[in-house]
Order: sequence, then structure tokens, then C-alpha cells
Amino acid sequence: EVQLLESGGGLVQTGGSLRLACAASGFTFNFYAMRWVRQAPGKGLEWVSSISTSGAGTHYADSVKGRFTISRDNSKNTMYLQMNSLRAEDTAVYFCARNGDLGIIEGADYWGQGTLVTVSS
Amino acid sequence: QSVLTQPPSASGTPGQNITISCSGSNSNIGPNYAYWYQQLPGTAPKLLIYRNNQRPSGVPDRFSGSKSGTSASLAISGLRSEDEATYYCEAWDNSLTGVVFGGGTKLTVL
Repeated sequence: EVQLLESGGGLVQTGGSLRLACAASGFTFNFYAMRWVRQAPGKGLEWVSSISTSGAGTHYADSVKGRFTISRDNSKNTMYLQMNSLRAEDTAVYFCARNGDLGIIEGADYWGQGTLVTVSS
Repeated sequence: QSVLTQPPSASGTPGQNITISCSGSNSNIGPNYAYWYQQLPGTAPKLLIYRNNQRPSGVPDRFSGSKSGTSASLAISGLRSEDEATYYCEAWDNSLTGVVFGGGTKLTVL
């Protein structure tokens, strides 16, 4: 059974940093591109970042470019999101998800339950 | 303002058929596949339709997807109370080099 478990969320001050992790199990992790998607309270889905199978290819939404860094450790079946210079508008539930067979351009076929990040002054 | 445009709300009565639209452009839906997700309140999104019109195993055949030009549609036939959820469309955008979502359509089953 495919499982994705996010961790690392919490309350952080404006300008602070946080690192999210997504632990994957139930599939061959290094075969699949992965992504982070967030959802602000009461709002819709917003794509944050995607990473290729090897980690060599990464893409970011303009809203987080230069502040967030996506990475993965295939030996640990884990994906990360390093978030720096956090702003109030980064407050959201952050979901990790697995892309389908076509890689980075494919939709997400499995999603984690999400971890809440709250940025407050 | 979302790159993909969806109606913010839709409604129907049990047994009815409804369609949710998703309008994009020549940089996203036009050249790429469209995807649809269902999100129940307080839960993670669930893949409903992939590659325009394919259903993952376990998704009832009451749900179907289609694409024409730069727009995609999600059709739900025989509406049921458990279909009450928010539905999102998605596509890869070649110009933005990233994933774009619609703003979501909240479906109410009256």
C-alpha cells in the first residue's frame, strides 16, 4: 500500500525557517517524481514545487522561488521542503504527493494527509 | 486568480447529471493532459481522472473526463450525496514550467 507521511509542520515566526519531510513507503520511491502542494485555510490548492526521480530536476512556483528548496534522499525514501524567509501568506496545509508514471508533468496519484504550517508574527 | 478557470460552485439533485468545466490555454490544457481531483472537507485530494479521461481503479464510472482544445470537463452522472465535495482541475503549464490548478468547484447535492 502506498503511504506518504508528512512531518515537520508547526508554528514559526515571520522570517523564520522550517523543514518539512515526506516519508514514502509501499512503492519504489526512486521511480517516481514527487511534489509539494499547499492549501491555505479556506482556499484552493496551490502547487509549490516538484522534483524529478533523481532530484536533478526541480521546479518552483514563483511565490516560493528563492525561498524554498525541494530535495529528496532516495536512500531514505524521503522528500524534503526547506522553507526559509517564511511569510504570513505561507500559512497552509502542505501536502506531499507522488506523480504518476509520466514524471514531473503528470498529475498526482497518491497524496499524504498534510502537515500544517502556521507563520505568525 | 487561478491560471485554470472553473466555476466556483455547482449544484444538483440526487440522480441528476452535472458537468464542471475547466478553461485553460495553449500553454497548459491545450498541449498537455488534464487531471481532476475530488477533495472532501478536511481530507487530502483524491485523483479522480488522469490523462484527460482515464479513471484510476476504484473510481466509479459515474465520473468521466473529456478535453477539447484548451478546455477540459468533468461529468458526474447519477449524482449522489457522497459526491458533495470540491473538485479541482490541473495541468502542466509549459510557459510557467510548473503545475497549474483551477480555483476549485464546490459541488452541492441538494
